[in-house]
Amino acid sequence: DTGVSQDPRHKITKRGQNVTFRCDPISEHNRLYWYRQTLGQGPEFLTYFQNEAQLEKSRLLSDRFSAERPKGSFSTLEIQRTEQGDSAMYLCASSLVGSREETQYFGPGTRLLVL
Amino acid sequence: GNSVTQMEGPVTLSEEAFLTINCTYTATGYPSLFWYVQYPGEGLQLLLKATKADDKGSNKGFEATYRKETTSFHLEKGSVQVSDSAVYFCALSRDSNYQLIWGAGTKLIIKP
Repeated sequence: DTGVSQDPRHKITKRGQNVTFRCDPISEHNRLYWYRQTLGQGPEFLTYFQNEAQLEKSRLLSDRFSAERPKGSFSTLEIQRTEQGDSAMYLCASSLVGSREETQYFGPGTRLLVL
Repeated sequence: GNSVTQMEGPVTLSEEAFLTINCTYTATGYPSLFWYVQYPGEGLQLLLKATKADDKGSNKGFEATYRKETTSFHLEKGSVQVSDSAVYFCALSRDSNYQLIWGAGTKLIIKP
């Protein structure tokens, strides 16, 4: 079963450090999404890609956040100069536009703790 | 703007009880509506969905009906099991391939 995978699953960092997360979507999926989820809340949309093009970014995505999907396959989310408020679960999802079953499939998430 | 409101948890029930988790939404146009479930230690999984008014989504004994007149999408199950213990999220989107807007989640605890 090649579902959505994310790496690392957990990351602890010190305030001010940079971190990078990776997401590998389901192989034939052309859309990839990033969400952020804090404890006791539902996920919040951050950004999404159609193939390699980043089509929308949320206002939540400050200048310290950058996401890429260089070849339309895996994606990376980088946070520069991390702050304690960045501590959250970062979720990746993928979907196939134009398929009969147009569903977003989620990965297990990367839990970030900023000390 | 678009938003989703769902009942606060935790909801605690005995096995075989009837379950209702309320979800109401605010949206322009005709969004698609979803219920996702997150079991302990696992990722979010789609439970069911409905894409137009009066549609009923169903899966694993759970059902929800898209009610445009009341802007609701309440989740129901006739007889819950301990294995249904999880956090349930209601969400909406303009279509299945656009950003999801989520409720805060409702934790369900089923006691044997």
